[in-house]
Amino acid sequence: AQSVTQLGSHVSVSEGALVLLRCNYSSSVPPYLFWYVQYPNQGLQLLLKYTSAATLVKGINGFEAEFKKSETSFHLTKPSAHMSDAAEYFCAVSESSTLGRLYFGRGTQLTVWP
Amino acid sequence: DVKVTQSSRYLVKRTGEKVFLECVQDMDHENMFWYRQDPGLGLRLIYFSYDVKMKEKGDIPEGYSVSREKKERFSLILESASTNQTSMYLCASSLGQAFNEKLFFGSGTQLSVL
Repeated sequence: AQSVTQLGSHVSVSEGALVLLRCNYSSSVPPYLFWYVQYPNQGLQLLLKYTSAATLVKGINGFEAEFKKSETSFHLTKPSAHMSDAAEYFCAVSESSTLGRLYFGRGTQLTVWP
Repeated sequence: DVKVTQSSRYLVKRTGEKVFLECVQDMDHENMFWYRQDPGLGLRLIYFSYDVKMKEKGDIPEGYSVSREKKERFSLILESASTNQTSMYLCASSLGQAFNEKLFFGSGTQLSVL
């Protein structure tokens, strides 16, 4: 069975600082991994996804994530935070056996201070 | 761009009422999903559908049912609403059954059961 753990339900950074949002997964087979972002009063939108083509994945708005199999991690980073990055971020996993179903983590609320 | 439309942004119902939440997508997607989002719990899958008239239980189907009579429409039904079903409900769709597909989300329906 697959599951996702997001370490830290709230993360606060200053504008211009590094953003690091942590995600660890549990999967018995090679996983597909995703990061979604939810801005206030909106649905979720895809930030980036890992599908085994490359371990470092670049997404929209300057975000990237690195798949580390040995650590079962898929942490999300951005070198320099912007006020507009304030949102809730969700890590998700799917497997071939689940036919496209996504299992989501509990989310991390990112606050960016001026 | 794909559009997933949920019929109501806010809904207030009384305990015991039958509640219908409607979702329509305009891109001929095969898969449709209903999630429930609660603070600190992330997204939990209620039901999903891979085709017209087909439905599969997700992780928390109790107290809910669904209907998919047409490909573009997926309805979530609360047979007898209870206060513990007060939540944000998110509908999503995806194109087919590839394992790495992007989900497109609606903006959500905030349901309050009094």
